[in-house]
Amino acid sequence: GAGVSQSPSNKVTEKGKDVELRCDPISGHTALYWYRQSLGQGLEFLIYFQGNSAPDKSGLPSDRFSAERTGGSVSTLTIQRTQQEDSAVYLCASSLGQVGGQGGYTFGSGTRLTVV
Amino acid sequence: EDKVVQSPLSLVVHEGDTVTLNCSYEVTNFRSLLWYKQEKKAPTFLFMLTSSGIEKKSGRLSSILDKKELFSILNITATQTGDSAVYLCAVPSGAGSYQLTFGKGTKLSVIP
Repeated sequence: GAGVSQSPSNKVTEKGKDVELRCDPISGHTALYWYRQSLGQGLEFLIYFQGNSAPDKSGLPSDRFSAERTGGSVSTLTIQRTQQEDSAVYLCASSLGQVGGQGGYTFGSGTRLTVV
Repeated sequence: EDKVVQSPLSLVVHEGDTVTLNCSYEVTNFRSLLWYKQEKKAPTFLFMLTSSGIEKKSGRLSSILDKKELFSILNITATQTGDSAVYLCAVPSGAGSYQLTFGKGTKLSVIP
């Protein structure tokens, strides 16, 4: 597509429920990233996918968080047993290659997750 | 641990003013520094800086890097209400160059 598409744009869930957030990157972009932005905080790296390589999951805050990328395109971030501290904007981004050489990612508009 | 600190955290100016936003960084293996503008939710790319002293310019926005003093500034001249946004500074960190470490951002409000 023309840009990075994320859905839903907003999600309110009850504490303890599981949620799935979806990201559809720019067509042809091999790299895909998930970041989290909590209120008043900078963006926090969560996970990185590059082609068929094993993802870098080093930023996932707990084992309740997981992500997959099917067919090298669409990615789903799953949060199990949500907690109130999971409330944040979850941003997905994609790029053609490594960000240092490409001048930056293209971000989606994010999913605002509110856990009540 | 790589770190990015932005100042001020927030700023209110009148249309037509010139503003300077600051970003200092500590990174193990410096490759570049990036500036983004975030209106609502999606950050949009502004500049990537790799060399000291070379100004990058786009319209009323410009940015420069000082690798000796480990900081960058983003200047906006003749500000407009449309410049109101959060401005984010980031550096690639980690073993690869794909992970960005972000500052908390500077929230700029331009009032008529």
